[in-house]
Amino acid sequence: GNSVTQMEGPVTLSEEAFLTINCTYTATGYPSLFWYVQYPGEGLQLLLKATKADDKGSNKGFEATYRKETTSFHLEKGSVQVSDSAVYFCALPSGAGSYQLTFGKGTKLSVIP
Amino acid sequence: DTGVSQDPRHKITKRGQNVTFRCDPISEHNRLYWYRQTLGQGPEFLTYFQNEAQLEKSRLLSDRFSAERPKGSFSTLEIQRTEQGDSAMYLCASSPLHAEYEQYFGPGTRLTVT
Repeated sequence: GNSVTQMEGPVTLSEEAFLTINCTYTATGYPSLFWYVQYPGEGLQLLLKATKADDKGSNKGFEATYRKETTSFHLEKGSVQVSDSAVYFCALPSGAGSYQLTFGKGTKLSVIP
Repeated sequence: DTGVSQDPRHKITKRGQNVTFRCDPISEHNRLYWYRQTLGQGPEFLTYFQNEAQLEKSRLLSDRFSAERPKGSFSTLEIQRTEQGDSAMYLCASSPLHAEYEQYFGPGTRLTVT
């Protein structure tokens, strides 16, 4: 089945720093790709998605571009805030015709003032 | 929109006991998913329902685990004869019919088996 490898954390940044969290995938075909975020004490939330190659997903100042050449979907933000402190998960469908998602291990981001 | 709710939020049980968790999805969502998450890992898929039909089950779901979704509304996940390895966060998610990967997660039930 499909799989995802995600940059391990934790990552600690100062406020207004640039963020990159790396995610690479192995998949049959070109499935949709997702970033989910889990804020402390809350359930996972869909942050952004891209449904085909070269698509850019964006939300709340975060962006990720679906790059089939490098099989990557790196998450970026130009200027992080303390409120961005959370665990970020890269995910993709487990296989063709399956509705289950396969998640990366998660990257914990801490932003300090 | 009240979101996905799960009950209880925490459960401590002794090895060998049975436990049952409940999930109430977002009301208009046809699809419901159960995942398990252990410390430092991403969620791992357990099972999936479309309305009341259980359509996918992971190999992780041993015969001690059973899930139901009567009437296509709330769902229960039961673990029989719990083992210490069952200690984890159990997550429920739901999605609308035509956006199956846009899954809305509940806060989870943390199970500790002593």
